[in-house]
Amino acid sequence: QLQLVESGGGVVQPGRSLRLSCAASGFPFSSSGMHWVRQPPGKGLEWVAIIFYDGSIKDYADSVKGRFTISRDNSKNTLYLQMNSLRVEDTALYYCARGGTDLVPDKWGQGTLVTVSS
Amino acid sequence: SYELTQPPSVSVSPGQTARITCSGDVSPKKYTYWYQQKSGQAPVLVIYEDTKRPSGIPERFSGSSSGTMATLTISGAQVEDEADYYCYSTDSSGERRVFGGGTKLTVL
Repeated sequence: QLQLVESGGGVVQPGRSLRLSCAASGFPFSSSGMHWVRQPPGKGLEWVAIIFYDGSIKDYADSVKGRFTISRDNSKNTLYLQMNSLRVEDTALYYCARGGTDLVPDKWGQGTLVTVSS
Repeated sequence: SYELTQPPSVSVSPGQTARITCSGDVSPKKYTYWYQQKSGQAPVLVIYEDTKRPSGIPERFSGSSSGTMATLTISGAQVEDEADYYCYSTDSSGERRVFGGGTKLTVL
């Protein structure tokens, strides 16, 4: 059964860093593109980043470009999001999602909450 | 920047048809995808490639697309369909991936 479990969230001060992880199981992770999507409290979904199955191609939303880095370890079936220079507006529930048909997010984890506050 | 526009809210009575629209920038238009997010839960894909329904999604959910507008239709909406619905697509280059602002569907 497909499972995506995010971890690494927490409370962090503005300007600091945090690394999120997403442990995948139940599907061929090394053949799947993966996404990070976030949702600020009480607000809508915002696409954050994508990484192709082999890590060769990565893309980011303009709002995080240059500050966030998506990566993966196919030997560990794990997706990562390194978040640097965090801002208050980065506060959100961060979801990882599998890229299915057309690399579109089709299965989602339950999310991990990141709160950026002084 | 590329944006998708949805109505903030739609309200119907049980058994009625709910229609949620998603409009974007001009063609060539990419496929539209629809997600359902119930309170406190992760999103669930309910329509992909404009009109296709993943396995396990009830037949009352359908999608259509015309020009630069896509529509999610719930025929005979049920109380359990109350949720936020988001459309998702990309711009013509395929490089900008965006969600619509979301529509809160109320069924009562």
